[in-house]
Amino acid sequence: LAKTTQPISMDSYEGQEVNITCSHNNIATNDYITWYQQFPSQGPRFIIQGYKTKVTNEVASLFIPADRKSSTLSLPRVSLSDTAVYYCLVGEKAGTALIFGKGTTLSVSS
Amino acid sequence: DGGITQSPKYLFRKEGQNVTLSCEQNLNHDAMYWYRQDPGQGLRLIYYSQIVNDFQKGDIAEGYSVSREKKESFPLTVTSAQKNPTAFYLCASSMGTGATNYGYTFGSGTRLTVV
Repeated sequence: LAKTTQPISMDSYEGQEVNITCSHNNIATNDYITWYQQFPSQGPRFIIQGYKTKVTNEVASLFIPADRKSSTLSLPRVSLSDTAVYYCLVGEKAGTALIFGKGTTLSVSS
Repeated sequence: DGGITQSPKYLFRKEGQNVTLSCEQNLNHDAMYWYRQDPGQGLRLIYYSQIVNDFQKGDIAEGYSVSREKKESFPLTVTSAQKNPTAFYLCASSMGTGATNYGYTFGSGTRLTVV
């Protein structure tokens, strides 16, 4: 399974754009990159998934360079409610389950 | 609405007692999972099941047991052999496992406390 590395924590202010980068040097050809968001005492929530280049939805954008060894989750104009833990996950071998690391704790202040 | 339901939300267990956490989904998902989360930590995989009547151990299966008699249900039993069961337990489901990465839907969790 491809291992991911992401910052333990990040701080931001309301209205700013936040970019969280995840490294996954050993990503396999058929692996997708997925990001989840978790609030305290809740289950993680799927945010976005991509394979290459750029993916955008109503919540975030995901940028994946050509070599796919890293990815960047971009949250535009964050608010206090975006304070959460963000997990980056990469692929899965057939027949296995996703492994969640400690994620990145994003703290947004006013 | 389709979703995944965990019950109870809070559960208290006495020393030496077995307890069962419920997880039900109506998403018609084939795969289901149980994770454990301790304060300030990520999620650790306990068990997962890809199809009915089949399941695999995760990284921390000792002291836990599961069953998958129906597609919709994947209950987790925390046995007395689990020495430190106090944690937040999360159940999830997905369309399947495989080379592509299917999005997981999580339940709202069960907080288990040993008293």
